Amino acid sequence: KAGVTQTPRYLIKTRGQQVTLSCSPISGHRSVSWYQQTPGQGLQFLFEYFSETQRNKGNFPGRFSGRQFSNSRSEMNVSTLELGDSALYLCASSTNRGQETQYFGPGTRLLVL
Amino acid sequence: GENVEQHPSTLSVQEGDSAVIKCTYSDSASNYFPWYKQELGKRPQLIIDIRSNVGEKKDQRIAVTLNKTAKHFSLHITETQPEDSAVYFCAAIGDYKLSFGAGTTVTVRA
Repeated sequence: KAGVTQTPRYLIKTRGQQVTLSCSPISGHRSVSWYQQTPGQGLQFLFEYFSETQRNKGNFPGRFSGRQFSNSRSEMNVSTLELGDSALYLCASSTNRGQETQYFGPGTRLLVL
Repeated sequence: GENVEQHPSTLSVQEGDSAVIKCTYSDSASNYFPWYKQELGKRPQLIIDIRSNVGEKKDQRIAVTLNKTAKHFSLHITETQPEDSAVYFCAAIGDYKLSFGAGTTVTVRA
């Protein structure tokens, strides 16, 4: 099976702009989780979608949002970008949620100038 | 929510020696504990996981132990090789989401 894919792989934006990142899970996986990875904060959970419903949310401001489509592909959006949003954004998919193994995509590296 | 602490933050070992990374978690309801390896510039890759009904699991040179009473679990790498150099993350499932430790940078000296 093809692995988790993310687009774009790299992105440069300026403060105040918004950005949309995309994640395509492994075929058959219905759960998609998003994480922010920074050198100082490690891997921080953003949110998880399962069957088009957000099931869980981390401690991030409302500028961070997401959605999941009927084919399980997911997008996350960050509005009004701040310098501190510069990070590697990773998505991970699993067959279900909870105790299932998560498989990560290659990530989207976002740089906010 | 779940809080996972990981130690040490950096670990340097001589090739052929063993490496041990320890993690503690706070949510007694957590029942799934994966370990991920992330090489520079690459995605985290699952290397081993353990569920709460098992105390130990081994896969070649890698083993994980779990002590549910003490709420800690450990990763053991034996006969380390240069390709084991990477950042290792432990994680625990709590409230249906993965919480990660801060990571351990392992350097294997040739």
